[in-house]
Amino acid sequence: QKEVEQDPGPLSVPEGAIVSLNCTYSNSAFQYFMWYRQYSRKGPELLMYTYSSGNKEDGRFTAQVDKSSKYISLFIRDSQPSDSATYLCAIRGSARQLTFGSGTQLTVLP
Amino acid sequence: NAGVTQTPKFQVLKTGQSMTLQCAQDMNHNSMYWYRQDPGMGLRLIYYSASEGTTDKGEVPNGYNVSRLNKREFSLRLESAAPSQTSVYFCASTPGDREEQPQHFGDGTRLSIL
Repeated sequence: QKEVEQDPGPLSVPEGAIVSLNCTYSNSAFQYFMWYRQYSRKGPELLMYTYSSGNKEDGRFTAQVDKSSKYISLFIRDSQPSDSATYLCAIRGSARQLTFGSGTQLTVLP
Repeated sequence: NAGVTQTPKFQVLKTGQSMTLQCAQDMNHNSMYWYRQDPGMGLRLIYYSASEGTTDKGEVPNGYNVSRLNKREFSLRLESAAPSQTSVYFCASTPGDREEQPQHFGDGTRLSIL
């Protein structure tokens, strides 16, 4: 079993839709939770991070962590074609290493 | 505003050839990382360097070596390339190794081994 599981998609939604992206993890020692966005042929860029259970909002993006269920989510409101990318969850425990999900490919159709 | 720069962007090798992938950052970061990204596998850590002069193995170090040349540069070497090493390689850096600090990535080197 992978330490971090992420549905690879692909996910296709119409412009303006609410998008929900999810990851589950197995190691309860994980403490820091991040979402990266990766455009085609580019490196990942950090979108959001949080280290506690609950919600964190940044504009149209909301990151949600449920440590009791070992489940993290990223919600995108009013999705735009420019949001089309691969979204990677990344989780870190006490060690220096980040453990990445395999990524979900999102397409927002105009 | 270069950030993390990787060279080359593309490379094709034959099995058994050697090659060094170069990475440089201009953000004065202490920690640097090498990942490989394969379809369905996500990003997997090959090696990292917490600070100048130190290197440590990550999840998939076999077949690779690294050199932290100075604070700016961290190179990845394939001594005898194998088809299983066909991948996209990313270099990343962080100011230090505090958990909340984001990793800044380069745009990758696409490597094909025939």
